[in-house]
Amino acid sequence: DIVMTQSPDSLAVSLGERATINCKSSQSVLYSSNNKNYLTWYQQKPGQPPKLLISWASNREYGVPDRFSGSGSGTDFTLTITSLQAEDVAVYYCQQYYSTPYTFGQGTKLEIK
Amino acid sequence: EVQLLESGGGLVQPGGSLRLSCAPSGFTFSNYAMTWVRQAPGKGLEWVSIISDNGATTYYADSVKGRFTISRDNSKNTLYLQMNSLRAEDTAVYYCAKDIANWNQGFFDYWGQGTLVTVSS
Repeated sequence: DIVMTQSPDSLAVSLGERATINCKSSQSVLYSSNNKNYLTWYQQKPGQPPKLLISWASNREYGVPDRFSGSGSGTDFTLTITSLQAEDVAVYYCQQYYSTPYTFGQGTKLEIK
Repeated sequence: EVQLLESGGGLVQPGGSLRLSCAPSGFTFSNYAMTWVRQAPGKGLEWVSIISDNGATTYYADSVKGRFTISRDNSKNTLYLQMNSLRAEDTAVYYCAKDIANWNQGFFDYWGQGTLVTVSS
């Protein structure tokens, strides 16, 4: 199974500042045949289901604010939130869909400093 | 508007069984793979199972293999999760979610609100 490890576990950032969350996979999730990274990011606010933010490591979903961006390739990925807003307080999860069982990172809790 | 409505959760004793249902609306159910993901209280997300659009292909997490069965009835627009031999560690909110493709692409663009399963004596 591919193990997904996020860092940090929690993060406090001031409003308007940048938040960076890292995700590392135990093996590459880059398919060489199509040069795509099989990695998503979800946002989960308290009492709500997860929301898909980014797919293919860097493809922002429709309606997701452009302050959210994803980057990385192979085994190392980053979710960046520029200019943090109050509504961004949530737990963020990465997930690989390179192979079953699909696996999630343990989550990173983002708070306002 | 896409909506997914789970039902069937509740309190069950260890070793017991429960069947969850998920009723989707707002999209053509038979055109998409569907999945179940669970979240234990205060914990992270754990993928449970996935089924292709026509039900021909299914996959399971090792933690539930042999005990849980995912199925779907496209004529009734319903997704199911039959859970047998339940254990305390199966206690969680169970979410159904829509895959972005008809095959098991493996990531999910719409999620239900979840149904709570509690396994306890």
